[in-house]
Formats: sequence, C-alpha cells, structure tokens
Amino acid sequence: GQNIDQPTEMTATEGAIVQINCTYQTSGFNGLFWYQQHAGEAPTFLSYNVLDGLEEKGRFSSFLSRSKGYSYLLLKELQMKDSASYLCAVRDHATNAGKSTFGDGTTLTVKP
Amino acid sequence: GAVVSQHPSRVICKSGTSVKIECRSLDFQATTMFWYRQFPKQSLMLMATSNEGSKATYEQGVEKDKFLINHASLTLSTLTVTSAHPEDSSFYICSAPRPGATDTQYFGPGTRLTVL
Repeated sequence: GQNIDQPTEMTATEGAIVQINCTYQTSGFNGLFWYQQHAGEAPTFLSYNVLDGLEEKGRFSSFLSRSKGYSYLLLKELQMKDSASYLCAVRDHATNAGKSTFGDGTTLTVKP
Repeated sequence: GAVVSQHPSRVICKSGTSVKIECRSLDFQATTMFWYRQFPKQSLMLMATSNEGSKATYEQGVEKDKFLINHASLTLSTLTVTSAHPEDSSFYICSAPRPGATDTQYFGPGTRLTVL
C-alpha cells in the first residue's frame, strides 16, 4: 500500500513563492505526479518526477528525493488563478502503467 | 485541446435507476483506462482499472456488480452505476495514459452524478 501526506491548506500572497510538500511511503515507486485541481473540475497535469532532482516548468518546479520519500511543488510569482487544490500522486511500481494513488490534496489560497 | 472526454458532464437521476458514463480517448488508443471517484473536499479514489478486451480490475471495497465497467474498444470505456442510491452521488473521473508516454496521465473533465 501507499501512504501520502501533504498539508491540508496553505495561504500565500500574490507575487510570492510557495512550496507545497509531499511525503510518501510506498512498497514500490514508479514516479510522482503533481496535479492542479480547481473546484468542480478534473485535475490537470503539472509535473512528473521519477529521478531525484528538480524539474522546472515555467513558474512551477517540482523536486524529488526518493531516499527520503519526499517531494515538493514550488510555485513562483503567484497569481490569483493559482488558488486551487494541488494533488500529489505516487505511482506504484507494482501496478499497471499509470495507476496512481493520490494524497488528500493541499488547498492553496492566494490573497491580493 | 482535450484528449479524454466524458459524457455526460452532469446527470441527475432517481434512486434505483442505472446511469452510464462514457470515457473516450480522442486522439490515441487506450488499452487501459482508470475510473476514479471524488467526494466533496476529498481526494481522488481509484475505483477500478478498465482493460480493453478483458475484465476490469476493481480496487478493494468497490462492488463490481454495482459499478459495471466495459472497455469495448480502444477508445471507449463505460462505467455503469447500477441501482444508484444517494450515497453514490459523487464526481466520477476517468483517466487514460497515452501509450509510450508514462510520464503523463490524461483526465477526462469528470461527471457529476446526483442521485435523488
């Protein structure tokens, strides 16, 4: 099985930087995903890490440490539209391609 | 544009009726699709893995006779909620990995089911 932990809520100011952490315990590991989900909508893919290190995509970066079972999503130059739920998901090596277990999500509120 | 579609986007039905939800991959063939359920303010819970040409694999605690899955073609999987009850009201989301692209998983827009 898998256990994924991330903070329930975070608040940040427009223009600032915020880091959302995710820790996981898994019997196998085949990649970690970050998704953004606005209320009432399906998740949208943000990033994927399978090797240790930092992946950067514009204002969004994601970091992975497999030995520590730890990842973070870094959002820079926050905008009001970044207010959403951010989901960390881990794909278990023992499962079908693409099958992932999701954390409970972190609700980010960006204030002016 | 969207690569996975779902239909309908929203459905309201009476208790005891059955509801069918379709998930289509639009520009690729998906031998595997996943069905998730999400209750308000909760995360996505995997219900089952839909496999083209074979039986679906259900997660522990999911009743296969209540949630019928049919993956009849390489672009279509259907989830039928049989004898729906108010507690089945939820947001149902399908997803499909693009073959050969293990670093992404495309989600459909979701179906909001309300059972009265």
